[in-house]
Amino acid sequence: GAGVSQSPRYKVAKRGQDVALRCDPISGHVSLFWYQQALGQGPEFLTYFQNEAQLDKSGLPSDRFFAERPEGSVSTLKIQRTQQEDSAVYLCASSLTTGAKQETQYFGPGTRLLVL
Amino acid sequence: RKEVEQDPGPFNVPEGATVAFNCTYSNSASQSFFWYRQDCRKEPKLLMSVYSSGNEDGRFTAQLNRASQYISLLIRDSKLSDSATYLCVVKDNNNDMRFGAGTRLTVKP
Repeated sequence: GAGVSQSPRYKVAKRGQDVALRCDPISGHVSLFWYQQALGQGPEFLTYFQNEAQLDKSGLPSDRFFAERPEGSVSTLKIQRTQQEDSAVYLCASSLTTGAKQETQYFGPGTRLLVL
Repeated sequence: RKEVEQDPGPFNVPEGATVAFNCTYSNSASQSFFWYRQDCRKEPKLLMSVYSSGNEDGRFTAQLNRASQYISLLIRDSKLSDSATYLCVVKDNNNDMRFGAGTRLTVKP
């Protein structure tokens, strides 16, 4: 079946521009996660949704970052007034339920954001 | 100090070699443990979960030592296709997954 999809795959933004990154999780998956992965690093947790509820946003680096999942399926990560340090790969992942112990997360291909 | 620490490598090994990766984690309340594999410019994919009793999947063996807060991955009879970055992942009670920075493996003919 279809996996997690993300769009756009690549985004070049000028410093100060707002961007919106979209994630389509696997159909029926309750949990959705956003991660930021800098070059040469592992993914860093940004935020977590259970259905439409944003249960954890402790990883969002600043108030320029905002995420939503209004209908409990598609999610959008918005970055306002982008800065060069926002350049990274933004990964979305979903999991079937609310995170049973050994439940895995399935990742999308990511959006590569480059801020000039 | 990072929550999950790995030797970044790179590990360069010949085909057929056995190679081991280690990982330490700082949160003693961590509940679940995984190894993910990430190919260049691709997304992470689950390689295997790590269970307290240790577990094996073909050429891959994972071990967990809760007392030392240490996880390992052993790859036997390395193949060229094993070349990738291996990410150690630790999950706590709040469903947060914490990733190590990854260990890069290159298997050469």
